[in-house]
Formats: sequence, structure tokens, C-alpha cells
Amino acid sequence: DAKTTQPNSMESNEEEPVHLPCNHSTISGTDYIHWYRQLPSQGPEYVIHGLTSNVNNRMASLAIAEDRKSSTLILHRATLRDAAVYYCILRGTAGGTSYGKLTFGQGTILTVHP
Amino acid sequence: ETGVTQTPRHLVMGMTNKKSLKCEQHLGHNAMYWYKQSAKKPLELMFVYNFKEQTENNSVPSRFSPECPNSSHLFLHLHTLQPEDSALYLCASSRSALAGFSSYNEQFFGPGTRLTVL
Repeated sequence: DAKTTQPNSMESNEEEPVHLPCNHSTISGTDYIHWYRQLPSQGPEYVIHGLTSNVNNRMASLAIAEDRKSSTLILHRATLRDAAVYYCILRGTAGGTSYGKLTFGQGTILTVHP
Repeated sequence: ETGVTQTPRHLVMGMTNKKSLKCEQHLGHNAMYWYKQSAKKPLELMFVYNFKEQTENNSVPSRFSPECPNSSHLFLHLHTLQPEDSALYLCASSRSALAGFSSYNEQFFGPGTRLTVL
């Protein structure tokens, strides 16, 4: 799997937007960009994913660079409940016998201040 | 509540014990996964089952033995573990494990079993 690079930690204030960056310079044309987060004492949960175009859902937005070598997860108004470890993961789709496993890195620890 | 339950939530066992972790998903999924999360290390994929067939064993020691009797249940049988096996064991499920489904095939995780080996 292609590798992703994320900052170890970031901080934000409540009610402010948060931009979590991810670099993936070796991404292949068939790799989707997935984001998961892990709240304290819980298993990871899916946040959003995309291929080339920017994506929005009820949790967040995903902005993907035109060359796809980087992406940014955007939380529009951070809440205390958004404090978690955020993982940026590339998932390949090529090959019928390849299994779409998730390879987690260290992620970014997001701290949200009241 | 993700639709994936794990029991027990906490387990303490000696190195000579035999125990089992149980995972159940109520989502109608066909793929199930075991992950290990040790302190200060990324989540590591251990096993993948797709339609009850094991499709991936990520070089896991034989003291960990998975079992998938049907698409809704997944077990991890433990025997003669070592203290370094102490970790959070997470189960996940998804519609399919095939890469071709990757575009929407999100994984749903259970809360995990916190295992301590004495």
C-alpha cells in the first residue's frame, strides 16, 4: 500500500474550523483516500473518502489536491466530541484478488480546546 | 453503537490459559476482520474473512487462532499467550473484503477487547 504522512498532533478551539493535512505522494491512480477517526476508548469509525473530486458529508469535507499527492480533511466547526486520532489511509482497488484492507499509520491526534 | 459487538470488553489471562474473543455484527456484512492495537503502535491487521473464508493472515503467530462459523460471527481463540500480546483487539466488518468494492466499502469497528496477559 502507498504510504501517507500526517502531522503527529494538532490543536483547535471549539467552534473553529480544523484542517487536517495528509501527504500521499506515491498514490496510484486507483487508490481511494479514506479517513477514519478513533475517539478515546472506542474503535475507529469511518469519516469520509474520495478519489479525485472534493467530497462533503455530514461529518466533514475532503479536499483533494489536483495532482492527488495530498488531501485535507476539514471539520467545519470543531466540537469537543471531535477530539480523536484521525487516520488518512489509501485503499487500492486494482486486482480482483487484492483485498481492500486498511493499513493504519500513526494518525494525527486532534485536541479541541473549549 | 456501530452494529458490531465484542465480548468480553476486558480480559485478563495467564500465559497458560485458553480463552476466546467473540465478535458479532448485525449489519448483514460478508467480511470480518481482526486488528491488534498495541500501546503507541498503529493498528495492525491480523486476519481477514470474506464469506467465511480466510483471505488474509498477516503473519500472525499460531497462538492466535481465528474462527468464522458464519458471516455474522468471528472468534479469536487464544492459547499460551505472551505478555507482549497484551493489547486492544478490535473486530470490524464490511460489505465485502474485495478491493473492487473499496470505493464505498467502509469498515465498521467494534469497541474492542482490552486483553492483559500476565
